[in-house]
Amino acid sequence: GAGVSQSPSNKVTEKGKDVELRCDPISGHTALYWYRQRLGQGLEFLIYFQGNSAPDKSGLPSDRFSAERTGESVSTLTIQRTQQEDSAVYLCASSSFGNTIYFGEGSWLTVV
Amino acid sequence: QQQVKQSPQSLIVQKGGISIINCAYENTAFDYFPWYQQFPGKGPALLIAIRPDVSEKKEGRFTISFNKSAKQFSLHIMDSQPGDSATYFCAASISDYKLSFGAGTTVTVRA
Repeated sequence: GAGVSQSPSNKVTEKGKDVELRCDPISGHTALYWYRQRLGQGLEFLIYFQGNSAPDKSGLPSDRFSAERTGESVSTLTIQRTQQEDSAVYLCASSSFGNTIYFGEGSWLTVV
Repeated sequence: QQQVKQSPQSLIVQKGGISIINCAYENTAFDYFPWYQQFPGKGPALLIAIRPDVSEKKEGRFTISFNKSAKQFSLHIMDSQPGDSATYFCAASISDYKLSFGAGTTVTVRA
């Protein structure tokens, strides 16, 4: 595709359930990022993948959050036992290393 | 700890006016300073970026001013148009890696 694709675009889940969010980066982009954006706030770094290197997980807020990436393609962000404070937009971005970072439109997560 | 501080939180400007958004940073290792524009329901999109070897960069109606000694940079939107109404984020990183974002400025341009 032409841009970063994320799914689902919207997700409403019950507190305590697990959710999976998917990101398809731009083809050929070796770097992939996940950010979280709470309502009316800035972007909070979660995790970074670069090629086959070990991911930078320094932004993950708790052990309920995890992410995987298959090679240089799809990534999945998993949130276990969701809490209401997890409600946010989860943005995926990708880049060729050292170049412009392109964002997807985000997955809007609401925990009720 | 927020590495990039952005102000104001919001601003309203008349059509044709100038919008100015300011950002300050602490980490002197930062060497890449982009600005992103975000419309409601959309992801952020790169607007313009600067590296610290220049003090100003202009693209159309958008200009970044950079003050390395003060560790500050700003975005100026000249001749603001209603279509410029959006949220603007400044960011900073080391070599384009792991951007640290400001909290955002919501700009409203009144016709």
